Amino acid sequence: NAGVTQTPKFQVLKTGQSMTLQCAQDMNHNSMYWYRQDPGMGLRLIYYSASEGTTDKGEVPNGYNVSRLNKREFSLRLESAAPSQTSVYFCATALAGGINGELFFGEGSRLTVL
Amino acid sequence: GDSVTQMEGPVTLSEEAFLTINCTYTATGYPSLFWYVQYPGEGLQLLLKATKADDKGSNKGFEATYRKETTSFHLEKGSVQVSDSAVYFCALSDADYGQNFVFGPGTRLSVLP
Repeated sequence: NAGVTQTPKFQVLKTGQSMTLQCAQDMNHNSMYWYRQDPGMGLRLIYYSASEGTTDKGEVPNGYNVSRLNKREFSLRLESAAPSQTSVYFCATALAGGINGELFFGEGSRLTVL
Repeated sequence: GDSVTQMEGPVTLSEEAFLTINCTYTATGYPSLFWYVQYPGEGLQLLLKATKADDKGSNKGFEATYRKETTSFHLEKGSVQVSDSAVYFCALSDADYGQNFVFGPGTRLSVLP
C-alpha cells in the first residue's frame, strides 16, 4: 500500500537549472498539497489543489509552478532554481480539503541548489 | 490570517519524564486542531486531533485538549520513551481559511535513556 509517493528523494541542482518533483497518490483523495520545510520555520504551503483541475497559491508560491495532471498526480516545477529553494519538499493529500480531516504525507524530497 | 505558535525547542528529557509542549493558535473561524509527529527521515503523520472545544485527542499515551477560552492545544505525555524522540508539529484546519492547514514551526524532542 504505497499511499503518497514522491520522486526523486534527493536532488542536487545548480543555480538556474530546472526540475520537476513528482507526487502520486493511490488513496483516491481529492486534495493535494506541496509544502516546503525549513529549519525553524515549520511547513509552509507552496501550492495546493482542492480537486482535479484546480490549483491555488499558498504562502510561498514564487519561483514554483504546479500541475494537477489527474486525480492521482500533482507535480511541482522549479523553472530556474535558486539557492533559497534549498529545502525539503513534502507532498500531502487529504480526502475532503482538510476540515475534520487529516493530511497524509509522502516521505519528502531533499533538494539542494548550489 | 490564521497562525499557530509553539514553544521553542529543542526539548531534552530523560526517559519516563513528563512532557508538555505548548501550542496556541489564532483563527478566524472554528478550526480543527492537530498534532503531527515527524520521526527522523520520514514524512509527518497524524498523532491526534480534536475537532471542537473541550474535545480531548489521545493516541500512544499522548493527549491534548482543545481549549477555546485560551486558544490552546497543549500536548502532554506522562512518561516519555526514547522512541518518542521526534519533531512535533501543532496544526489547525479552518474551513474559513482557504489554505486549509496551518502548521506551527515544530518542536524537536530528544529523550535520553
